[in-house]
Amino acid sequence: GAGVSQTPSNKVTEKGKYVELRCDPISGHTALYWYRQSLGQGPEFLIYFQGTGAADDSGLPNDRFFAVRPEGSVSTLKIQRTERGDSAVYLCASRANGLGADTQYFGPGTRLTVL
Amino acid sequence: AQTVTQSQPEMSVQEAETVTLSCTYDTSESDYYLFWYKQPPSRQMILVIRQEAYKQQNATENRFSVNFQKAAKSFSLKISDSQLGDAAMYFCAYRRRGSTLGRLYFGRGTQLTVWP
Repeated sequence: GAGVSQTPSNKVTEKGKYVELRCDPISGHTALYWYRQSLGQGPEFLIYFQGTGAADDSGLPNDRFFAVRPEGSVSTLKIQRTERGDSAVYLCASRANGLGADTQYFGPGTRLTVL
Repeated sequence: AQTVTQSQPEMSVQEAETVTLSCTYDTSESDYYLFWYKQPPSRQMILVIRQEAYKQQNATENRFSVNFQKAAKSFSLKISDSQLGDAAMYFCAYRRRGSTLGRLYFGRGTQLTVWP
């Protein structure tokens, strides 16, 4: 498809478990962002990749959160020892590089529920 | 720090009428981008309109237009001839220009209801 895709669409897990959320960006987009959207809030920045490297991970709330993008395309957000407060919609966005490439295109998100 | 404020948690409009959603922001930068995104129940964030701060002309996209007041740090969205499909959560967002990082800062959103 032409857009950003995210899997799974919904994920229910138990407190203390490990989860992985996947993002497949628009083909050719080198910039990739993860945001977290809690209920009733706007999205909040987590991490930004330029190519394979994390250019800015200052939004990660603690060391239980980690993200990778090994080949510069698909990215995985990993959450260890999940807590109920991690319940949220996790959004991924990608952006082309170069002059004028200012718009981030979002995926449909993964709704994570920690019981 | 950049902050974006949407003071209207909810708004409603009659179909075919016009509605304006408010947004203010705080920044010390002089060059930046502003965006309005729409998020329907499907959760997909869809870009509605964008504005570059260095441009004085207000952006327009079909039925959607903005009123950008740089000195007042205000960026409102006007939806003309509202349609049922416009019903969604609307987010105002800010991004620094010239930054290689490019994270977006979002407001808390305004839930728009469109009545038939």
